[in-house]
Amino acid sequence: QKEVEQNSGPLSVPEGAIASLNCTYSDRGSQSFFWYRQYSGKSPELIMFIYSNGDKEDGRFTAQLNKASQYVSLLIRDSQPSDSATYLCAGVNTGGFKTIFGAGTRLFVKA
Amino acid sequence: SAVISQKPSRDICQRGTSLTIQCQVDSQVTMMFWYRQQPGQSLTLIATANQGSEATYESGFVIDKFPISRPNLTFSTLTVSNMSPEDSSIYLCSVPRQANYGYTFGSGTRLTVV
Repeated sequence: QKEVEQNSGPLSVPEGAIASLNCTYSDRGSQSFFWYRQYSGKSPELIMFIYSNGDKEDGRFTAQLNKASQYVSLLIRDSQPSDSATYLCAGVNTGGFKTIFGAGTRLFVKA
Repeated sequence: SAVISQKPSRDICQRGTSLTIQCQVDSQVTMMFWYRQQPGQSLTLIATANQGSEATYESGFVIDKFPISRPNLTFSTLTVSNMSPEDSSIYLCSVPRQANYGYTFGSGTRLTVV
């Protein structure tokens, strides 16, 4: 069973700090990875995707991918209370036909 | 990206009954996906619904329990049949975003079976 693993948290950071969310995956053939944000009672919303090794930046968000270590991370700079949510990591399996979601990490940003 | 209208947003149902969830997309999409999200759990794919063919179900999900219709490229329904309390969950439909950059999700249906 191919899996995506995340620490369930909660991860608590003060406002203005960097939040670091981590994810590992077992399918070595996975090529594409996504980060979704899910507010309580809402559906997931795509915030980042990454295909290549290294870093990808979009505003306050940076996704990092290390295929050799099978590791994906999301950094949120200058964290705001509005960033408080559950962050889901997801990877597309070998062959690209199925997306596997992690269970999510709950993030709390304290004002 | 596409906009999905999903309904009902929530329902409380008696065990043994069935509930049909609808998803309407504002553009034509080839594939639609149905997920279940139990409290504190990951999203689990129930099935993939393709227009003009039978839905493809994931391991652990069967057509008799979760029949799916896909009459056209903008609409799909998922029925949760003969419900038990274990079916209490959030059900979500989704469609691929442009260029396959992830998914767009419907607003979800929160189902409670009593």
